[in-house]
Amino acid sequence: AQSVTQLGSHVSVSEGALVLLRCNYSSSVPPYLFWYVQYPNQGLQLLLKYTSAATLVKGINGFEAEFKKSETSFHLTKPSAHMSDAAEYFCAVSEPTGRRALTFGSGTRLQVQP
Amino acid sequence: SQTIHQWPATLVQPVGSPLSLECTVEGTSNPNLYWYRQAAGRGLQLLFYSVGIGQISSEVPQNLSASRPQDRQFILSSKKLLLSDSGFYLCAWRGKQSYNSPLHFGNGTRLTVT
Repeated sequence: AQSVTQLGSHVSVSEGALVLLRCNYSSSVPPYLFWYVQYPNQGLQLLLKYTSAATLVKGINGFEAEFKKSETSFHLTKPSAHMSDAAEYFCAVSEPTGRRALTFGSGTRLQVQP
Repeated sequence: SQTIHQWPATLVQPVGSPLSLECTVEGTSNPNLYWYRQAAGRGLQLLFYSVGIGQISSEVPQNLSASRPQDRQFILSSKKLLLSDSGFYLCAWRGKQSYNSPLHFGNGTRLTVT
């Protein structure tokens, strides 16, 4: 079964600092990977997705992620944090099975300090 | 463009009362539909999915049920709520084209069972 692990349930950075949110996956087939963002009491919004076309994927709001097969990782980064980036972030892997659902990590809450 | 609606946004119900949460999708046909539950600090748990009208698959045994009476309508129900049913419920849809397509989420329903 496919799975994702997000290291660090809480990450705190200063405004303007680098954001790095970690995600490692486990999959027996080439994975499709996603990052979502969730603001309080809202649904999940897609940030970006990896679908094997390019290992470095650019998303919305200045975020990007790099797929590294050798490390089974798909870490999310942003060069300079904004206060508005404070939210919860979820990594997810797509399942190539009948239900075709996404399996999510446990999430990382990002705090941005002024 | 496609949109997904969930209601109500918040709900407070006593233990033992019934539940009905509704989700509708616009702008697409024959989508896969999903119900996820998000408990505090625990990520997203897939509860039910549906690949067509009347076709429901349950992922975990519990006090809830789901129905799909129309192509773009997905309902989550319970006959008698438990305290453990409290959480944030998210409906999502996905096209059938490929498993590299993302899930699209509604804004969720915050359920508190008292």
